[in-house]
Amino acid sequence: EADIYQTPRYLVIGTGKKITLECSQTMGHDKMYWYQQDPGMELHLIHYSYGVNSTEKGDLSSESTVSRIRTEHFPLTLESARPSHTSQYLCASSDLGQGQDYEQYFGPGTRLTVT
Amino acid sequence: AQSVTQLGSHVSVSEGALVLLRCNYSSSVPPYLFWYVQYPNQGLQLLLKYTSAATLVKGINGFEAEFKKSETSFHLTKPSAHMSDAAEYFCAVRGRGFKTIFGAGTRLFVKA
Repeated sequence: EADIYQTPRYLVIGTGKKITLECSQTMGHDKMYWYQQDPGMELHLIHYSYGVNSTEKGDLSSESTVSRIRTEHFPLTLESARPSHTSQYLCASSDLGQGQDYEQYFGPGTRLTVT
Repeated sequence: AQSVTQLGSHVSVSEGALVLLRCNYSSSVPPYLFWYVQYPNQGLQLLLKYTSAATLVKGINGFEAEFKKSETSFHLTKPSAHMSDAAEYFCAVRGRGFKTIFGAGTRLFVKA
């Protein structure tokens, strides 16, 4: 079944630790995104990718990095976690094929707490 | 630049009552507009989308939205609320390039 997966779903980690949030999709989509979501706030785009070996920073300044070595995989890494990184992180993907209307498909999210 | 404003961070209705969630947008180009729903502990799911065809768009779960260019609005409605509709709803506009701009969300409460 075509879907988009995120692991872990919940993570509690201490300050200074390195973490990687995983995102994989089985829909063959070219475009992938990472959003940060806080209660009562707009979703903020922090990274996106047009395809393999293509990554761009989004509108919200972020200390995280991403990579896109395979079409289906778009991990996000924090080299040194801080309490200010506590948030929900959503991964999404979309197709750029002809006739597509840029709707995005979202994973279930990773809720990160940095203590 | 594109932007989205959702009026009301919280809306409460009784079961069986009309649901109306308001969204106004700003766009310098003909917009693509979307409504997404987020249930607790889940990601966002597409409810419906406007792509310059019919101005009245029907979505899943009995929701619909009407595109009104003169009012720059794309309000979401459902004639009769159900308890299972309780969730957070996000209006979005496709911005320049491939970016989608999301509103801050409206949390819908449904009272028995």
